[in-house]
Amino acid sequence: DAGVTQSPTHLIKTRGQQVTLRCSPKSGHDTVSWYQQALGQGPQFIFQYYEEEERQRGNFPDRFSGHQFPNYSSELNVNALLLGDSALYLCASSTTGRQAPGELFFGEGSRLTVL
Amino acid sequence: DAKTTQPPSMDCAEGRAANLPCNHSTISGNEYVYWYRQIHSQGPQYIIHGLKNNETNEMASLIITEDRKSSTLILPHATLRDTAVYYCIATLLDGLTFGKGTHLIIQP
Repeated sequence: DAGVTQSPTHLIKTRGQQVTLRCSPKSGHDTVSWYQQALGQGPQFIFQYYEEEERQRGNFPDRFSGHQFPNYSSELNVNALLLGDSALYLCASSTTGRQAPGELFFGEGSRLTVL
Repeated sequence: DAKTTQPPSMDCAEGRAANLPCNHSTISGNEYVYWYRQIHSQGPQYIIHGLKNNETNEMASLIITEDRKSSTLILPHATLRDTAVYYCIATLLDGLTFGKGTHLIIQP
């Protein structure tokens, strides 16, 4: 049973460019959340997608957008990249049938470096 | 999410029980307490959660005080592989708020 998979694992971009990160949730999961983790900090919640719609959003600007596909996979898009967007981007999946909110399964992340 | 406070770092000898404290004095009645850990360069891993009662699973035990203002995560027999950053989160939402956590170092 594959867990949460993310791609690419590492990438380098320059300021002003755009990036797309991809996530496939754990089998049987229908909800995908994205987090940003800067060096030395805990992960910060970006947004969550369920039924192809954004259901919850953290304190991130509109440059951060996402999408969820009918097969539950998801993309995170970041436009007009800034140096401060350099971070590990984590995808987490969950299922609406779980016992309590907050029980998430995380992928290994995509390491983005902005030069 | 309720604010949580954890010590920045702790040491524990291999084979001993590791007890990680967390203060969440402003927790509301329907907020769960979650514990996650993150081993270097990996994604966070769910450990356990609870609402009011103490909980135990194959990884750890969670002890929540009667007034729910604090909790303790217990790793009964710590191994070197338990060295990680441990996060305590109090929330009723899916959008988790991670602090800086406790860096637990298991000493051989």
